[in-house]
Amino acid sequence: KAGVTQTPRYLIKTRGQQVTLSCSPISGHRSVSWYQQTPGQGLQFLFEYFSETQRNKGNFPGRFSGRQFSNSRSEMNVSTLELGDSALYLCASSYTGGAGNTIYFGEGSWLTVV
Amino acid sequence: DAKTTQPPSMDCAEGRAANLPCNHSTISGNEYVYWYRQIHSQGPQYIIHGLKNNETNEMASLIITEDRKSSTLILPHATLRDTAVYYCIVSGSGNTGKLIFGQGTTLQVKP
Repeated sequence: KAGVTQTPRYLIKTRGQQVTLSCSPISGHRSVSWYQQTPGQGLQFLFEYFSETQRNKGNFPGRFSGRQFSNSRSEMNVSTLELGDSALYLCASSYTGGAGNTIYFGEGSWLTVV
Repeated sequence: DAKTTQPPSMDCAEGRAANLPCNHSTISGNEYVYWYRQIHSQGPQYIIHGLKNNETNEMASLIITEDRKSSTLILPHATLRDTAVYYCIVSGSGNTGKLIFGQGTTLQVKP
């Protein structure tokens, strides 16, 4: 079956703009999590959604937000982009996000802020 | 969430077994050990996970010590394509899709 699909794969934005990234989880998966990866900070958890509700949140400013739709697809939004937001943004999905679930990652969206 | 400790880098000869260690001394009874790997510029690839018993799949074996304070990921016959950063993660208990990544081990498989 299809894996976790993220779009777009690459994008370039200007400081101050906003960006929306999309994630389609594996069919049947209801938990979607987002991560940011930078050379300096490594892989950091942003937030998790389950059944359209944010269930867990990492330590990121309010400029980072997300949502999940009834079909489990998810989007994340970053407003007022800063240079430091340049990163690989990864989406991961699992059936319920519960302990012991297998969690699969997408290939990520590369965001460059100029 | 329990923390993990991994060596920053390891080398392995092609065709030999790669044994990647991980310490997780503060793991609690219902936390799982997960292993992922990441090849440059790609998303992390799931390898294996386990709770207390040893696990094996088509990619690797996971050996968890009886006290669960450490584990070893074994790639039985390493190839050049296994060169990657390997992450050992202890998941939070309960309903959460949150994984806390450390710095991982960079495995270099050499011909």
